[in-house]
Amino acid sequence: EDQVTQSPEALRLQEGESSSLNCSYTVSGLRGLFWYRQDPGKGPEFLFTLYSAGEEKEKERLKATLTKKESFLHITAPKPEDSATYLCAVALTGGGNKLTFGTGTQLKVEL
Amino acid sequence: NAGVTQTPKFQVLKTGQSMTLQCAQDMNHEYMSWYRQDPGMGLRLIHYSVGAGITDQGEVPNGYNVSRSTTEDFPLRLLSAAPSQTSVYFCASSYSASAKPAFFGQGTRLTVV
Repeated sequence: EDQVTQSPEALRLQEGESSSLNCSYTVSGLRGLFWYRQDPGKGPEFLFTLYSAGEEKEKERLKATLTKKESFLHITAPKPEDSATYLCAVALTGGGNKLTFGTGTQLKVEL
Repeated sequence: NAGVTQTPKFQVLKTGQSMTLQCAQDMNHEYMSWYRQDPGMGLRLIHYSVGAGITDQGEVPNGYNVSRSTTEDFPLRLLSAAPSQTSVYFCASSYSASAKPAFFGQGTRLTVV
């Protein structure tokens, strides 16, 4: 069965304290892996797409990487405004644009 | 561009009532989908459409109906609401090519009492 697992479930950081969020996947065939940010009461906001192992994408303090089994979202020197839930999703071979989501990591960055 | 627009934002229904959640996109995306989000669970696909006149079931389709008469609109109908359908519903759209990022609406928070 295709599975996407995110860890940790929740993470509390001090401002400036870098860390990484993990998304591990067990799927029959990966077409793409997506990272989203979700603020309370809002819809998921697209951050990155990764298509192949070794690929990296960056945006401001965020950097996403991909291996054959997992993806990491690295957060460098986070700020309180980075507080949100980060969702990982995969698109599978033969699945078109259907996405399978993990349950998310709730990140809180404190001053 | 407004992106993906969902209405209403909040709704309370009584068990057995029916209603339609509206979704519209102005990005000319062929692919549209509905997800529900429940605490402790990832977003789960309800129904999707690859273009006008074409719809298919996702992971949790029971109790829901969809149609796609235009490229822009993809309404979700609850036929006879049940408490188990209390959830936050998100509509998303994307280009039809495989594994393109989906863009989401702001959600509809539905409570069935």
